[in-house]
Amino acid sequence: AQSVTQPDIHITVSEGASLELRCNYSYGATPYLFWYVQSPGQGLQLLLKYFSGDTLVQGIKGFEAEFKRSQSSFNLRKPSVHWSDAAEYFCAVGLRLGGSQGNLIFGKGTKLSVKP
Amino acid sequence: GAGVSQSPRYKVAKRGQDVALRCDPISGHVSLFWYQQALGQGPEFLTYFQNEAQLDKSGLPSDRFFAERPEGSVSTLKIQRTQQEDSAVYLCASSLGGTRRTEAFFGQGTRLTVV
Repeated sequence: AQSVTQPDIHITVSEGASLELRCNYSYGATPYLFWYVQSPGQGLQLLLKYFSGDTLVQGIKGFEAEFKRSQSSFNLRKPSVHWSDAAEYFCAVGLRLGGSQGNLIFGKGTKLSVKP
Repeated sequence: GAGVSQSPRYKVAKRGQDVALRCDPISGHVSLFWYQQALGQGPEFLTYFQNEAQLDKSGLPSDRFFAERPEGSVSTLKIQRTQQEDSAVYLCASSLGGTRRTEAFFGQGTRLTVV
């Protein structure tokens, strides 16, 4: 069965420090992979996505992620965290429906706190 | 509108009451998804429409949950005889679908509280 694991429930980093959020997935084929961010009371905003091609993906707000097939991972990184990055981050696998993206399987999320 | 719109944003229901949650997808989007997000959890898939056809309803937790999209645009998620465990945020998402590899866009959700 497909699944997504985000091993860190809560991470605290200092403003200006680097960040890496971990994501591992289980899926029988090459997956579509996504990272979403959710601020309190808000919906999900897409940070970046991987469908195919270059395994290093650039997203919005200075985020990037790297798809590593051998490790079944899609970790999210940012070189310098800003206080406004404090939020909950969700990794997701998109099931394939033909060529298009089907429903998403989400991890449980990692809450990011940023200290001044 | 420019994005996915959900209404109401907040709903308080007494246990046993029926509720209806509305989703207006982005115009022209073929695929529509409903998710349930319990407090402190990631969203969980409920059901999927392609135009007016409900192609997957495997995530609906019980027969009290019913979704429709009769004209292939607006969708309604209905919960009958609500119970406390139904309290959650219900998220709707839409995408272009078809063979195009494009992401889904999410609405802000409806927070349902059953008392």
